[in-house]
Amino acid sequence: QVQLVESGGGVVQPGGSLRLSCAASGFTFSSYGMHWVRQAPGKGLEWVAFMRYDGSNRYYADSVRGRFTISRDNSNNTLYLQMNSLRAEDTAVYYCSKPPYPSGNLFDYWGQGTLVTVSS
Amino acid sequence: EIVLTQSPGTLSLSPGERATLSCRASQSVSNSNLAWYQQKPGQTPRLLIYAASSRATGIPDRFSGSGSGTDFTLTISRLEPEDFAVYYCQQYGDSLTFGGGSKVEIK
Repeated sequence: QVQLVESGGGVVQPGGSLRLSCAASGFTFSSYGMHWVRQAPGKGLEWVAFMRYDGSNRYYADSVRGRFTISRDNSNNTLYLQMNSLRAEDTAVYYCSKPPYPSGNLFDYWGQGTLVTVSS
Repeated sequence: EIVLTQSPGTLSLSPGERATLSCRASQSVSNSNLAWYQQKPGQTPRLLIYAASSRATGIPDRFSGSGSGTDFTLTISRLEPEDFAVYYCQQYGDSLTFGGGSKVEIK
């Protein structure tokens, strides 16, 4: 069965950096584009970034472009999100998500999420 | 960026009643590339509908989606106790954006 396990969240000061990881199993990771989606406490969903299966293309929400970098290691079935210049408004639970088909822009499977808190 | 506005913010209904949720886009959503998700407290979202009207795998037929262009609707024909949740629309025609959500609560 599909499993996505995020890690790397925590408390960081404004302007700081954090790297999130998402360990994937139960499917052919190297065949699927993957997403990061976030949800601020008590708020709605916000798509953050997407990377194609082979890493050839990356896409970002305007709110994070230039500060966040999505990457992947297909040999280790792991997705990453490098977050720099963090702001208070980046505080959220960050989920990695697998689409229902390889290049899809839908969200089918989700990890349990990792909480990022940006606070001084 | 396409902005999605969901209404109502909260819908108070009883089990067995019909729920109608609206999602309005700031510009036309190409190819009706619109999806609906359900999220219950403490859980991750579940994909219900994609391409405006296609049910995802395993979704009961009491859930239906309709619409095109800028106006989309999610209908739950007869509310079951497990349907009380927050519902989000999401467009994937031009980048990816979500609506703010509509909560269906027990009256």
